[in-house]
Amino acid sequence: AQSVTQLGSHVSVSEGALVLLRCNYSSSVPPYLFWYVQYPNQGLQLLLKYTTGATLVKGINGFEAEFKKSETSFHLTKPSAHMSDAAEYFCAVSKPGYSTLTFGKGTMLLVSP
Amino acid sequence: DAGITQSPRYKITETGRQVTLMCHQTWSHSYMFWYRQDLGHGLRLIYYSAAADITDKGEVPDGYVVSRSKTENFPLTLESATRSQTSVYFCASSTSGGAYEQYFGPGTRLTVT
Repeated sequence: AQSVTQLGSHVSVSEGALVLLRCNYSSSVPPYLFWYVQYPNQGLQLLLKYTTGATLVKGINGFEAEFKKSETSFHLTKPSAHMSDAAEYFCAVSKPGYSTLTFGKGTMLLVSP
Repeated sequence: DAGITQSPRYKITETGRQVTLMCHQTWSHSYMFWYRQDLGHGLRLIYYSAAADITDKGEVPDGYVVSRSKTENFPLTLESATRSQTSVYFCASSTSGGAYEQYFGPGTRLTVT
C-alpha cells in the first residue's frame, strides 16, 4: 500500500521568503503524485500533479514540485511567499491502475508580514 | 455552473440518529468520493464510486452507507451517528480515478452530540 509523509504540521515563513513544504512517499511502483491546497472553510483544490514525463512540475500561483525517485520525495516550493499563500497544503499519492488517492496529514503554511 | 455542491453545510445531530449528507455534481463525472477530515489525520477516504450502482469501501467505511442511483448524486448516510463521527465531510468527483484531478465540494461540518 502507498503512504505519504509530510514533514512538519506547521511551517512559518516571512512574506517574500522561500516556501518549502516536504513530502515523502512510499510506493512499490512509480506513483502519481499531487499537491492540493485548502483555504479556510473551503474544499481542496489541485495545485499541481506529476504522472509521467518531466520531473519538475509547475502549478498554479507560482508553485512547483520536483519528483525525485531516488529520494522518494515530491517537495513543494515557491520562490517568494505571499500573504495569500497562507493555507493548508496536502500531498497525495496514487498508484497506477488504482482509482483512489492517499493523502498526507497536511502542512499548515503561515505567512507573516 | 454549480460544479459540486454539498448539503447541508452545517449539521448538529444527536447520538443514535440517522443523518444523510448530500453531494451533487453537474459535470457527469464518473467517479465520486467521500472523505472525512479530522485534525491530525488529514483526509481519509470513506467510500467511493466508479459509476452509478458501483461503490467500494475506502479506508474508514465502518458506520457509513452510500448509494449511487444517479451519476450526479452520491449521498452518505450515517445510520446511527456516534460522537466519533463528528468531523468535516468532503465530497469529490473526477472524470476517472488515479491520475485525474479530484474536484472537491465545500464540505459539511457535522457535530454529533
